[in-house]
Amino acid sequence: QKEVEQDPGPLSVPEGAIVSLNCTYSNSAFQYFMWYRQYSRKGPELLMYTYSSGNKEDGRFTAQVDKSSKYISLFIRDSQPSDSATYLCAMSANNYGQNFVFGPGTRLSVLP
Amino acid sequence: DTGVSQDPRHKITKRGQNVTFRCDPISEHNRLYWYRQTLGQGPEFLTYFQNEAQLEKSRLLSDRFSAERPKGSFSTLEIQRTEQGDSAMYLCASELAGERDTQYFGPGTRLTVL
Repeated sequence: QKEVEQDPGPLSVPEGAIVSLNCTYSNSAFQYFMWYRQYSRKGPELLMYTYSSGNKEDGRFTAQVDKSSKYISLFIRDSQPSDSATYLCAMSANNYGQNFVFGPGTRLSVLP
Repeated sequence: DTGVSQDPRHKITKRGQNVTFRCDPISEHNRLYWYRQTLGQGPEFLTYFQNEAQLEKSRLLSDRFSAERPKGSFSTLEIQRTEQGDSAMYLCASELAGERDTQYFGPGTRLTVL
């Protein structure tokens, strides 16, 4: 079993839909959680960064962390075609970038 | 454009050749990371620098790989005697130490080893 699992998709939704992207993990020591967006042929872009359990909202994006279930989610409201990308989760027990473990990514297509 | 640049963007080489990639981070960022990403996978940590000091190397970084960051500015990643298994996207990221929300990735260098 991989340390971080993520549904690879592809996930296709109509424009305006609410998108839910999820990751599960096995290491209970993880405390720092991030979501990245990666467009084709580009590097990942940090979208959300959260510590421990709870919710964090930024515009159309909401990140949720449930440490008791070892489950994190990223919700995208009013999805746009420009949201079409691969979404990667990443997590770590500490705040050191060298220790972050990335999921394999979920490819999302938002259809106009 | 994130402010982190990488050169070249693509590199095709024959097995056994040496290749070198360059990363120019955001100028005030003191921490620089190298990652490798293969198709359908997330980035895997290779090594990182704080200023000019290389502080950690992953087990993925075999002795054919070497990285430098002279004067704490740009960084280079060299792969000697390339193998087909080295084919991947090599990503560089920079940040202010300890400030995760300042992290920015470059566009990557895609390496193809024939």
